[in-house]
Amino acid sequence: GAGVSQSPRYKVAKRGQDVALRCDPISGHVSLFWYQQALGQGPEFLTYFQNEAQLDKSGLPSDRFFAERPEGSVSTLKIQRTQQEDSAVYLCASSLQNRGLLDEQYFGPGTRLTVT
Amino acid sequence: SQKIEQNSEALNIQEGKTATLTCNYTNYSPAYLQWYRQDPGRGPVFLLLIRENEKEKRKERLKVTFDTTLKQSLFHITASQPADSATYLCALGEGSARQLTFGSGTQLTVLP
Repeated sequence: GAGVSQSPRYKVAKRGQDVALRCDPISGHVSLFWYQQALGQGPEFLTYFQNEAQLDKSGLPSDRFFAERPEGSVSTLKIQRTQQEDSAVYLCASSLQNRGLLDEQYFGPGTRLTVT
Repeated sequence: SQKIEQNSEALNIQEGKTATLTCNYTNYSPAYLQWYRQDPGRGPVFLLLIRENEKEKRKERLKVTFDTTLKQSLFHITASQPADSATYLCALGEGSARQLTFGSGTQLTVLP
């Protein structure tokens, strides 16, 4: 079946521009995560949704970062007034989250954001 | 401070040998640990999950151990193949938190 998809795959933004990154999780997956991955590093947690509820946004680096999942499926990560330090790969992951069970996360291919 | 360290950034081994990757953590109390594989330009792919009360898990040529006393996990690939060449990430999950905390990864190259 279809996996997690993200768009665009690549985005170049001028410093100060706003960007919106989209994630389509696997159908039926309750949990959705956003991670930021710098070159040569592991992914770093940004935020987590359970259905449409944003349960944890402790990893968002500043109030320029905003995420939503209004209908509990597709999610958008928005970055306002982009800065050079925002350049990274943004990964989306979803998981089934059977109640009481720990399950793996399925990652999308990521969006590579370059801020010039 | 909290830290997750994976052994040397790059590991080269000969085809057919066993690759052993380490993941050490400090100031975490993980309820479980996961290992992922990541190829260039792609997202991580789940390989194995091991819980704090489990000592060892196996899946085909893969084996993972979890020692909460040593605060370490070892990840083994037996009979390694060039196709196993990738970056391997360990990730910790704490308590009821659903998000993962990742190490920086080990780049494995299996030489033919």
